[in-house]
Amino acid sequence: GAVVSQHPSWVICKSGTSVKIECRSLDFQATTMFWYRQFPKQSLMLMATSNEGSKATYEQGVEKDKFLINHASLTLSTLTVTSAHPEDSSFYICSAGGLGGTEQYFGPGTRLTVT
Amino acid sequence: QKEVEQNSGPLSVPEGAIASLNCTYSDRVSQSFFWYRQYSGKSPELIMSIYSNGDKEDGRFTAQLNKASQYVSLLIRDSQPSDSATYLCAVRRRTSYDKVIFGPGTSLSVIP
Repeated sequence: GAVVSQHPSWVICKSGTSVKIECRSLDFQATTMFWYRQFPKQSLMLMATSNEGSKATYEQGVEKDKFLINHASLTLSTLTVTSAHPEDSSFYICSAGGLGGTEQYFGPGTRLTVT
Repeated sequence: QKEVEQNSGPLSVPEGAIASLNCTYSDRVSQSFFWYRQYSGKSPELIMSIYSNGDKEDGRFTAQLNKASQYVSLLIRDSQPSDSATYLCAVRRRTSYDKVIFGPGTSLSVIP
């Protein structure tokens, strides 16, 4: 099956700094990638949809200037949390979709802790 | 009304029993339905996908879809302690280019 990786798997940063999370599709070309956030004991909340070569589409209530998404190639999308605050501490998960009709494949997630 | 609803649980079943998980969705144009399993601290893992009305079986898992009732369920036969996890129902309109909407999840505990 398709493999999606994320890096780093966990990160601790200080309040006010920026953190970049990478999402890679290892064995297929992902024209669309999705970024989710999950707080403890809650479900996955879609943050944005990322299409290669174009601007990301953000869900309502997600600050596009705070969560910068770049989908520079068919195998790589990045999420940058700018000026992170403790309330941004969460589990961030990406998923990738390939050719139309196939399932989305999830990365292993990145746990962000902002101190 | 939330787009995808599930009973939050926790649902407890004895080992060897059948676990039944239910999900309803509000968007009638939805065409793809998924069940994911998520262990604590891990990413969701796809268990079943179903696209047409009726039942779909895969090993101990059976997904059931009723588009008229906007209802999808997951049955787990011969439940094992390793099945203890949160089960997420997810819905998508058409292709993998469309966003997937997740339900809140049902926590399942299989008691040895």
